[in-house]
Amino acid sequence: SAVISQKPSRDICQRGTSLTIQCQVDSQVTMMFWYRQQPGQSLTLIATANQGSEATYESGFVIDKFPISRPNLTFSTLTVSNMSPEDSSIYLCSARDRRGYEQYFGPGTRLTVT
Amino acid sequence: GENVEQHPSTLSVQEGDSAVIKCTYSDSASNYFPWYKQELGKRPQLIIDIRSNVGEKKDQRIAVTLNKTAKHFSLHITETQPEDSAVYFCAASTGPPLTGGGNKLTFGTGTQLKVEL
Repeated sequence: SAVISQKPSRDICQRGTSLTIQCQVDSQVTMMFWYRQQPGQSLTLIATANQGSEATYESGFVIDKFPISRPNLTFSTLTVSNMSPEDSSIYLCSARDRRGYEQYFGPGTRLTVT
Repeated sequence: GENVEQHPSTLSVQEGDSAVIKCTYSDSASNYFPWYKQELGKRPQLIIDIRSNVGEKKDQRIAVTLNKTAKHFSLHITETQPEDSAVYFCAASTGPPLTGGGNKLTFGTGTQLKVEL
């Protein structure tokens, strides 16, 4: 199974600033994803991080607010831009096993915007 | 797109009893159904999954059943223990092929399982 790490594990940020979250996978994976999870809620897919091309965003999420990079098969970043308190959440990186089915999650980044 | 409903939202059982969590999905093209366990403050952990070519899969105390005709699948935990207490999420996708929007997992709303001593 893929082992996924994220940095930072948590952060407290000021309104209007941006935060970039890093995700590193220990093996080459086919697909990487970014999710958001509000306390006590389910997981909401933000976007699929495509290697070498623009990310594919879900309805309600836009590139200007959540720019994503994936320069290679094991690394991706998510930036939360121009933050507001409504962006306070846990952001999770996820990767799909190279066999194509099993999907694993990173430990998450707990973001608080004041 | 796919819609996954999950019931119940909370479930309390006595230690040693069985627990069953049920999910329904809407997209008949979905063919992969994983279950995740998430303990408080931790990442979702894949505990078992099933593909559409089988009707049941078992791993020690946990099992998953799938009814493609009715479009529902269930998680069964037998001989529950306090360490089974967590939030459980079901999900569905049409994954692989390796590209395309159909690959994404759609999650249920979660079930808070509490195993009482």
